[in-house]
Amino acid sequence: EVQLVESGGGLVQPGGSLRLSCAASGFTFSSSWMTWVRQSPGRGLEWVATIKPDGSGEDYVDSVKGRFTISRDNAMGSLYLQMSGLRAEDTAIYYCGRDPNFAAVDYWGQGTLVTVSS
Amino acid sequence: EVVMTQSPLSLPVTLGQPASISCRSSQSLVHTNGNTYLNWFHQRPGQSPRRLIYEVFNRDSGVPDRFSGSGSGTDFTLKISRVEAEDVGVYYCMQGAHWPPTFGGGTKVEIK
Repeated sequence: EVQLVESGGGLVQPGGSLRLSCAASGFTFSSSWMTWVRQSPGRGLEWVATIKPDGSGEDYVDSVKGRFTISRDNAMGSLYLQMSGLRAEDTAIYYCGRDPNFAAVDYWGQGTLVTVSS
Repeated sequence: EVVMTQSPLSLPVTLGQPASISCRSSQSLVHTNGNTYLNWFHQRPGQSPRRLIYEVFNRDSGVPDRFSGSGSGTDFTLKISRVEAEDVGVYYCMQGAHWPPTFGGGTKVEIK
């Protein structure tokens, strides 16, 4: 059974940092493109970042470029999102997902809530 | 970025009756490789999105055949032939043809 389990969310002050993790199992993680998608009442569903299977390349939505970094550890079956310079508009539920082909995310985690507030 | 516009925002339906959701993109979703990357997701309250249909009309495993996707270019439709109680929730279209992938604002389906 495929499982994606996010962790690391919480309350952080504006300008602060947070690292999200996603533990993957039940599929060949090292062969899979992986992604982070976030959801908030104000911005809806928003693609955040994607990383290649071997970690050799990644891409980001403009609103997080230079502040967020996606990475992975294929030996551990884990995906990460390092977030810095956090802003109120980054408040959202963050989902990790497997991207089998052109953003058609077929497996989603349960999400982890990030709240940016003073 | 590509703007995805869904209508209606809210769709009250009677059990057993059909339902239809429209999704329009600001650019053609036909990729340079010739494929069209338009997906549909369903999200129940308190749950993660679940993919229903990928590349316009391909139903995911376990998705009832009362769900169907159609369309081309910039106009797409998700149809439910006979709505059941478990179909309530929000439906989203999403394009993967252009970076960044973008979602529609969602259509909330509820039972009358």
